[in-house]
Amino acid sequence: AQTVTQSQPEMSVQEAETVTLSCTYDTSENNYYLFWYKQPPSRQMILVIRQEAYKQQNATENRFSVNFQKAAKSFSLKISDSQLGDTAMYFCAFSDFNKFYFGSGTKLNVKP
Amino acid sequence: DTEVTQTPKHLVMGMTNKKSLKCEQHMGHRAMYWYKQKAKKPPELMFVYSYEKLSINESVPSRFSPECPNSSLLNLHLHALQPEDSALYLCASSPPRTRANTGELFFGEGSRLTVL
Repeated sequence: AQTVTQSQPEMSVQEAETVTLSCTYDTSENNYYLFWYKQPPSRQMILVIRQEAYKQQNATENRFSVNFQKAAKSFSLKISDSQLGDTAMYFCAFSDFNKFYFGSGTKLNVKP
Repeated sequence: DTEVTQTPKHLVMGMTNKKSLKCEQHMGHRAMYWYKQKAKKPPELMFVYSYEKLSINESVPSRFSPECPNSSLLNLHLHALQPEDSALYLCASSPPRTRANTGELFFGEGSRLTVL
């Protein structure tokens, strides 16, 4: 069975600083996809960034980037120049076929 | 149109009521999902429909009954619910995976259900 672990229940960062959220997963599959989703308070869950396991290059989307270590089964999210609007729950997710497995989430607070 | 629309946004029902949650998407996605989310917890998968056929049922109690009338619509029929069923119910859809598409989930805003 696939599992996703986020070991940081809550984190804080000052505005404009950089923060890294951790995620590890366990799978015996070789082809899969990894995602980070953001869920602001009382708002819709949206995709932040995605990574295909067969791609060695780490994905980047503006201020968001990942450090994908396939052998270590690690998929961390780095947020640069943190903004107040980044305050949210962040969920790491793993997907093989049409099933998605979510981590327990990390609550990120960006402080002014 | 890149939206998943869910109605109603809020629903309060008694344990003897029958109600339905609705979900609609016009992105041409052929996989649609129902998730249940408790506060500060990750979404829990309930059902997956693939090409209008139920492909995954995560051992959900029969008081929850999904329906996929066509490729754009997904319903969740609710009957004889318990107070512990109070939660945010999220609908999602995803496109097929291709070389250019990772098949990620597109979520609706959710229907917040309270069972009295």
